[in-house]
Amino acid sequence: GGIITQTPKFLIGQEGQKLTLKCQQNFNHDTMYWYRQDSGKGLRLIYYSITENDLQKGDLSEGYDASREKKSSFSLTVTSAQKNEMAVFLCASSTQGDSDYTFGSGTRLLVI
Amino acid sequence: QQKVQQSPESLIVPEGGMASLNCTSSDRNVDYFWWYRQHSGKSPKMLMSIFSNGEKEEGRFTVHLNKASLHTSLHIRDSQPSDSALYLCAASRGTNAYKVIFGKGTHLHVLP
Repeated sequence: GGIITQTPKFLIGQEGQKLTLKCQQNFNHDTMYWYRQDSGKGLRLIYYSITENDLQKGDLSEGYDASREKKSSFSLTVTSAQKNEMAVFLCASSTQGDSDYTFGSGTRLLVI
Repeated sequence: QQKVQQSPESLIVPEGGMASLNCTSSDRNVDYFWWYRQHSGKSPKMLMSIFSNGEKEEGRFTVHLNKASLHTSLHIRDSQPSDSALYLCAASRGTNAYKVIFGKGTHLHVLP
């Protein structure tokens, strides 16, 4: 079976800092996603990538950059962390266009 | 406006009882619904999907879909404490969709 790994599990950053979250999958899935999960707000799509070197903005892309340099990895950068920001960032992957996602275990972000 | 509405926000049922969770989409273009389960501190895992009118049963879990009203419901019979989790409903336009819309979720607590 495959696995989708997110690093780090916990990330504490300072206001204004640029922070990078990483995601790796070995399912050989074409499509990868970054979601943000805030308490009481469900999952919101930040960026997705249909295939290697492709990037598509989601509904919450402002304040974030993404990079898909390899099929197996998808990185997310918080360009300028906001104080008191606390959320879980979830990476997911699927075969191309399939809505059956496999999620990683998440990166928990706290900005102080 | 949330395009996928879930109710109730929180649900408490006794062990052995029936849990009923609801989900409605305001986007008339969606035709696939997904139910994910997320245990505390873990990643969401896909439970069931449905795209045809009627119901689908897998073990203790039954999903209903009414496409005319874009309403789906998840029923868990003989609820167990291990069923305690956040249940997320998601909707998409077919399975060949890159953007799945998630609801805020229902927190289910099963009391032993």
